[in-house]
Amino acid sequence: AQSVTQLGSHVSVSEGALVLLRCNYSSSVPPYLFWYVQYPNQGLQLLLKYTSAATLVKGINGFEAEFKKSETSFHLTKPSAHMSDAAEYFCAVSAINAGNMLTFGGGTRLMVKP
Amino acid sequence: EAQVTQNPRYLITVTGKKLTVTCSQNMNHEYMSWYRQDPGLGLRQIYYSMNVEVTDKGDVPEGYKVSRKEKRNFPLILESPSPNQTSLYFCASRYAGTGTYEQYFGPGTRLTVT
Repeated sequence: AQSVTQLGSHVSVSEGALVLLRCNYSSSVPPYLFWYVQYPNQGLQLLLKYTSAATLVKGINGFEAEFKKSETSFHLTKPSAHMSDAAEYFCAVSAINAGNMLTFGGGTRLMVKP
Repeated sequence: EAQVTQNPRYLITVTGKKLTVTCSQNMNHEYMSWYRQDPGLGLRQIYYSMNVEVTDKGDVPEGYKVSRKEKRNFPLILESPSPNQTSLYFCASRYAGTGTYEQYFGPGTRLTVT
C-alpha cells in the first residue's frame, strides 16, 4: 500500500519569497514520485518527477524537489515566488510494481501576496 | 496535438439518471485511468485500464462502471448517480513502458447530481 501526506492545505508567501511545499510518502517498495500543478479551472500539469535517478529533480517554472529516502520526503521548493505560481499543488506516488496506480496527496493551495 | 479530451466539461443531472462521461486520448497510450477530485482529499482513483478489455478497480469504484473496447477511449458510466458523486472528474493516460510513468490528464468534467 502507498500513501501521501501533504502538510498544510494552504500556504501563503510573499512575492519573491521562498516557496516550500511539503510532501511525505509511504510505500512498501521503491517509489516513483511526482508533483503536479493545477491552475484554476484547468487539469493537472506535471511539474517534475523522481524515477530513481538523481535525488534532486528540477522541473518547469523554476521548481525543484529533493527525494530523501531516510525522511520519506519529496518537498517542493522554488527560491523566489511569482504571482503566477498561485495554484494548487499535488504530490503523488506510484510504486514500481503498482501498474497504473497513482496515489495523490490532499493538495496544497499556494497563495502569493504582492 | 497530443491530448486527452473529456466530454462533457460540465454536467448537471438528477439522481438516478444514467450518464456517461467520455474520455479519449490520441497518444496510443496503453494505460488509462479515471479520478475524482474532492476538496481536501486530492485525487482518488476510480478505475484504471492497462489495455483493451483489461480494467481494474481503484480506490473508490463504488457506483461507477468503465469499459475499454478501444485503445483510445475509456468512458466512465454512472448507472444511477447520487448526490455524493458530485465531484470533479479527470481522465488520464500514459505509456506502459518502463521509465515513462508520467500521466497526462484531461481538462476535467464537473458533475453536479441533484
